[in-house]
Amino acid sequence: QVQLQESGPGLVKPSETLSLTCTVSGGSISSYYWSWIRQPPGKGLEWIGYIYYSGSTNYNPSLKSRVTISVDTSKNQFSLKLSSVTAADTAVYYCARRISSGLLQGGHWYYYYYMDVWGKGTTVTVSS
Amino acid sequence: AIQMTQSPSSLSASVGDRVTITCRASQGIRNDLGWYQQKPGKAPKLLIYAASSLQSGVPSRFSGSGSGTDFTLTISSLQPEDFATYYCLQDYNYLVTFGQGTKVEIK
Repeated sequence: QVQLQESGPGLVKPSETLSLTCTVSGGSISSYYWSWIRQPPGKGLEWIGYIYYSGSTNYNPSLKSRVTISVDTSKNQFSLKLSSVTAADTAVYYCARRISSGLLQGGHWYYYYYMDVWGKGTTVTVSS
Repeated sequence: AIQMTQSPSSLSASVGDRVTITCRASQGIRNDLGWYQQKPGKAPKLLIYAASSLQSGVPSRFSGSGSGTDFTLTISSLQPEDFATYYCLQDYNYLVTFGQGTKVEIK
């Protein structure tokens, strides 16, 4: 089955750029959306953004000015860059697959998106 | 952006109890809502998608309901392994938001 693994530096200095990669194994990166989500210590989940395998993206408006998500289909990987980091960006960062399912309801097909497979997460600390 | 208000933020319950968690969207989101379970130090796990569809492999004691703005996750008979934090997530209009989470603790 599909598995995801985050990788990257565990410590980033303030004002620098956080860079993480998610490697997809057991399946192809094609035909799906791929997401990044983070969780500050002791807090809830925050969606960062997602990318389609073709390269189209959507970002959380609150992070949009600092976020870039890219995909490398040849390596079955997608990546996150978050610029100008501060201590508030310290978090566990997760990657996840976003898929859709069609459901027949009231005689019509509707398509629903959800994140079904997650990586284990990687902790990133922003500190000098 | 669509806001998701989840309640309660925490609850205490006993094994065998029926537990209900609610999530309210700031605008209609059709049925574009999922529920996730997260245990300490672990990644979230999908329980329910499309508001009421049970993810494969998830026990049938978990169920979801609702449409539009008001949604509910119900655990019909709480088991020891169900003590965790639960999050709702909306994925309508291509922007995703999570609820604040509900921590289910042992009474």
